[in-house]
Amino acid sequence: GAVVSQHPSRVICKSGTSVKIECRSLDFQATTMFWYRQFPKQSLMLMATSNEGSKATYEQGVEKDKFLINHASLTLSTLTVTSAHPEDSSFYICSVPGTGTPWSSPLHFGNGTRLTVT
Amino acid sequence: AQTVTQSQPEMSVQEAETVTLSCTYDTSESDYYLFWYKQPPSRQMILVIRQEAYKQQNATENRFSVNFQKAAKSFSLKISDSQLGDAAMYFCAYGQGGSEKLVFGKGTKLTVNP
Repeated sequence: GAVVSQHPSRVICKSGTSVKIECRSLDFQATTMFWYRQFPKQSLMLMATSNEGSKATYEQGVEKDKFLINHASLTLSTLTVTSAHPEDSSFYICSVPGTGTPWSSPLHFGNGTRLTVT
Repeated sequence: AQTVTQSQPEMSVQEAETVTLSCTYDTSESDYYLFWYKQPPSRQMILVIRQEAYKQQNATENRFSVNFQKAAKSFSLKISDSQLGDAAMYFCAYGQGGSEKLVFGKGTKLTVNP
């Protein structure tokens, strides 16, 4: 079964509103989670690293005030797209490292969220 | 910064035939990991195969194998006996260090013709 749950799978919102996307680790605790963005027919680009109990680390060029990340517990990270605009329409995917030392077990990906801003 | 290049935006193969997807990367590190991910229309990311840079032996997983050329910084994926279910986007990815974040290539769309 799924190890990572990402919700919602699809969301349509109006320009100017905010949208929250959840990434939940179901079987294990995760102090770190990653958020990626995938434009249509393009690659996945890392947006930020979500750190449990501390501030997220954003990649260069990603607006931290627009893409708010909260990692309030060891099993949940949320990405909030604030004041969404049509150019924020995209596919957002989270990934969660497995247990153990880095790279010792496979990364787990959520099923992604397709955001459409009208 | 590390980069990953997939020079084939699209590839096609006949069912039961073999196809090779290309990937090159750029890094100054000696210890890293390379991956091929499959993304079907459902958009779920599925790990196909991984390679540790310190291992000289090429990784294999059933019909999937890689040709890892460390000096050339090349990491191609060979799919043997292609099946219709192999049709998808394939992403080459690089990972390194203690942070398990990935750098992805732009992807190759694989079509399998019956």
